[in-house]
Amino acid sequence: GAVVSQHPSRVICKSGTSVKIECRSLDFQATTMFWYRQFPKQSLMLMATSNEGSKATYEQGVEKDKFLINHASLTLSTLTVTSAHPEDSSFYICSVRPSGVFREQFFGPGTRLTVL
Amino acid sequence: AQKVTQAQTEISVVEKEDVTLDCVYETRDTTYYLFWYKQPPSGELVFLIRRNSFDEQNEISGRYSWNFQKSTSSFNFTITASQVVDSAVYFCALSELSLQGAQKLVFGQGTRLTINP
Repeated sequence: GAVVSQHPSRVICKSGTSVKIECRSLDFQATTMFWYRQFPKQSLMLMATSNEGSKATYEQGVEKDKFLINHASLTLSTLTVTSAHPEDSSFYICSVRPSGVFREQFFGPGTRLTVL
Repeated sequence: AQKVTQAQTEISVVEKEDVTLDCVYETRDTTYYLFWYKQPPSGELVFLIRRNSFDEQNEISGRYSWNFQKSTSSFNFTITASQVVDSAVYFCALSELSLQGAQKLVFGQGTRLTINP
């Protein structure tokens, strides 16, 4: 399967700070990447679809001004959690989807964010 | 809207037992894909299988097998002769075609499988 990396793997920050999470597709170029959030013992919930060269598409209920997504290149998407609060503590996972119709998504290892 | 239901929140069996994880889905699309992913304690999701809506053939891969029944909108996953390393959370997912053409995944709630030695 495709190799997807995320950095950092774990981050602890103080309330009010901003945190940037990187997602890199190492095997292929991806025009589309996805960002998910997973709270403890819950399922993955799609936050947004990251589109290379254009604005991200956010799911209902996700604040676009709080979760900034930048898909600057075909291999890199970043998620910035601005002014993080304890309720933003979660496991953030990105995925990439190879070109082609209905291909599976390959997931990154995830980033565990803890906001104190 | 698409929906995936995994009614079994947690399953615990003894090693070498067979275990089936249930998945029921809802969609109005005639063309769709179903997936199973495994999430071990490390957190990284591991792709297990993809099945399109036009292919109802059951699939077997080693100790894993999948039963796709379109008539009941189910896509169940069976592990034969379970092993401790199979312990993980398993997610069933359904692909959804968004307005932008990207295939969004809708996940079920997950089933936490524990295999006891």
